[in-house]
Amino acid sequence: GAVVSQHPSWVICKSGTSVKIECRSLDFQATTMFWYRQFPKQSLMLMATSNEGSKATYEQGVEKDKFLINHASLTLSTLTVTSAHPEDSSFYICSASNYRGETQYFGPGTRLLVL
Amino acid sequence: GEDVEQSLFLSVREGDSSVINCTYTDSSSTYLYWYKQEPGAGLQLLTYIFSNMDMKQDQRLTVLLNKKDKHLSLRIADTQTGDSAIYFCAESPNNAGNMLTFGGGTRLMVKP
Repeated sequence: GAVVSQHPSWVICKSGTSVKIECRSLDFQATTMFWYRQFPKQSLMLMATSNEGSKATYEQGVEKDKFLINHASLTLSTLTVTSAHPEDSSFYICSASNYRGETQYFGPGTRLLVL
Repeated sequence: GEDVEQSLFLSVREGDSSVINCTYTDSSSTYLYWYKQEPGAGLQLLTYIFSNMDMKQDQRLTVLLNKKDKHLSLRIADTQTGDSAIYFCAESPNNAGNMLTFGGGTRLMVKP
């Protein structure tokens, strides 16, 4: 149990386009979802935390207008990178926790390359 | 703020034991975790320990916690080539699992 999926697993796009990444909890209801960014050979950096039905809470330094997060249901959160630029190229990982919030279950990650 | 430190790299021979170390600064850390990340993949939770425990063993994995020194270690017995990955330790000040601070990760290379 506690499986989290992400789609797509990788995406290549042109500079200036917007990219949407989906994060789904497959067998549990995720009251809280998290979005992380990971640069090569570095640790995970928390970007934002979202609770179902409410606005996401962004970490300091993360532009909320650049990285739009929607957590419309208990099984789905989306991250949209708007007007992507090459510096947005990274590995984006989501995680989810249930109402008990005992731990976070991580998705497999989405690799974004902006040309 | 919280700080979690790990050595960058560890190389061992297949069959040997691996010990990955982690130090943290937050005295209120209640839960400490070890995650494994294989190339191009997300994080897999390996094990976790509560701060009121000194040791936890799960098959080939042994976690040791020295709360006084704020030192956490992960020992992998009989290390296999499939154990090659990046290992992250993380701490949380509560049991809500919603405030994880990650270390920088230790890359474990297992040589045949």
